[in-house]
Amino acid sequence: GEDVEQSLFLSVREGDSSVINCTYTDSSSTYLYWYKQEPGAGLQLLTYIFSNMDMKQDQRLTVLLNKKDKHLSLRIADTQTGDSAIYFCAAAPWNRDDKIIFGKGTRLHILP
Amino acid sequence: DGGITQSPKYLFRKEGQNVTLSCEQNLNHDAMYWYRQDPGQGLRLIYYSQIVNDFQKGDIAEGYSVSREKKESFPLTVTSAQKNPTAFYLCASRTGTGGAGNTEAFFGQGTRLTVV
Repeated sequence: GEDVEQSLFLSVREGDSSVINCTYTDSSSTYLYWYKQEPGAGLQLLTYIFSNMDMKQDQRLTVLLNKKDKHLSLRIADTQTGDSAIYFCAAAPWNRDDKIIFGKGTRLHILP
Repeated sequence: DGGITQSPKYLFRKEGQNVTLSCEQNLNHDAMYWYRQDPGQGLRLIYYSQIVNDFQKGDIAEGYSVSREKKESFPLTVTSAQKNPTAFYLCASRTGTGGAGNTEAFFGQGTRLTVV
């Protein structure tokens, strides 16, 4: 069945770039999302990319999509302590009963 | 302000009791979802509803029940049959995929349920 995979942990020094990777299995996915979850809170949409795009940039965030390899990445430039959170990758397969498939989340830890 | 509201934020339940978690949205979204989050497990889909008076089981529906009598509301009942109910529960809503354009999910702030 459909699946979204991402690594569980990432540690990055403050000021460096963070790159969080994700792979998905359903080639019919039309939209791919990155959500951020801070402790004890719900998920907040950070950005999304449509499947006919290769790249999307939004301030410090850059999303890269390799549709052939079904690989998605989120780059956070100049990582700050406020970026410490869990980041979820999600895929919306076309016409799959309105489901969105989430990865398990990557916990980003910022080193001083 | 449009949004999705979950209540209560914290809930304590004695073993053997049923409890109901509230989820309300004023975004005019057709689809609503309930997820359970455990540490290291990510989000697991419990139930979802694409339209009023209809809902489908997700991956871990056993021990849970839902209703969708109004478009705005999708309450989740955690029954005594759920063996390990302590978790963080997230509700989400989304425009149905029948239309064109992006249809991201909007999330509530979650309810933390603890069995005591």
